[in-house]
Amino acid sequence: QVQLLESGPGPVKPSETLSLTCTVSGFSITSGNYWGWIRQSPGKGPEWIGSIFHTGSTYHNPSLQSRVTISVDTSKNQISLRLRSVTAADTAMYYCARMYFDISTSYYFDYWGQGTLVTVSS
Amino acid sequence: DIQMTQSPSSLSASVGDRVTISCRASQYINKFLNWYQQKPGKAPKLLIYAASKLQSGVPSRISGSGSGTDFTLTISSLQPEDFATYYCQQSYGSPPWTFGQGTKVEIK
Repeated sequence: QVQLLESGPGPVKPSETLSLTCTVSGFSITSGNYWGWIRQSPGKGPEWIGSIFHTGSTYHNPSLQSRVTISVDTSKNQISLRLRSVTAADTAMYYCARMYFDISTSYYFDYWGQGTLVTVSS
Repeated sequence: DIQMTQSPSSLSASVGDRVTISCRASQYINKFLNWYQQKPGKAPKLLIYAASKLQSGVPSRISGSGSGTDFTLTISSLQPEDFATYYCQQSYGSPPWTFGQGTKVEIK
């Protein structure tokens, strides 16, 4: 059973860097899938942040690209997110998810972590 | 970016009702449309992928249809566990992959 677990610092101050880790269990992150970060502000729809393949190949949402770094640690079966220069607008629940791809179906997010709430506040 | 617009934003229905939720893309997305269900305090759960394919374990009263720009999620007979918020998400072409704003299904 694929399980994902996000971990992070909780509160972050404005202008600082948000750092989150997603630990995957029950499935190797080198097994041919992309892995993504998605966030959801209170009362809003989810927003895709970016995705990474185990080789380090990444896609980012252009709206966040200049502030985002996504990395992978295959030895720990983990992916990580760093978001620089945060503001209150970055307050959200942050999820990691597996992106399944098939040529006939394109991408979809089939396994999700429980999410971690990040609050940006001074 | 491709914008996804869902309608209605909320609806009230009774157990046993047939419920239909619409999702419209701002441009052609072929059949690359996915549906998720989210309950309070939980992560979204994949229901339908590629417009009409039922994810394993999802009950058959839930179905999806559509292609191009217009898509529909149907629950044929609403059950108590179906009261939740539903999101569509497109994965056509290059990212960013975008979600709709959600449709909340409430108990009448």
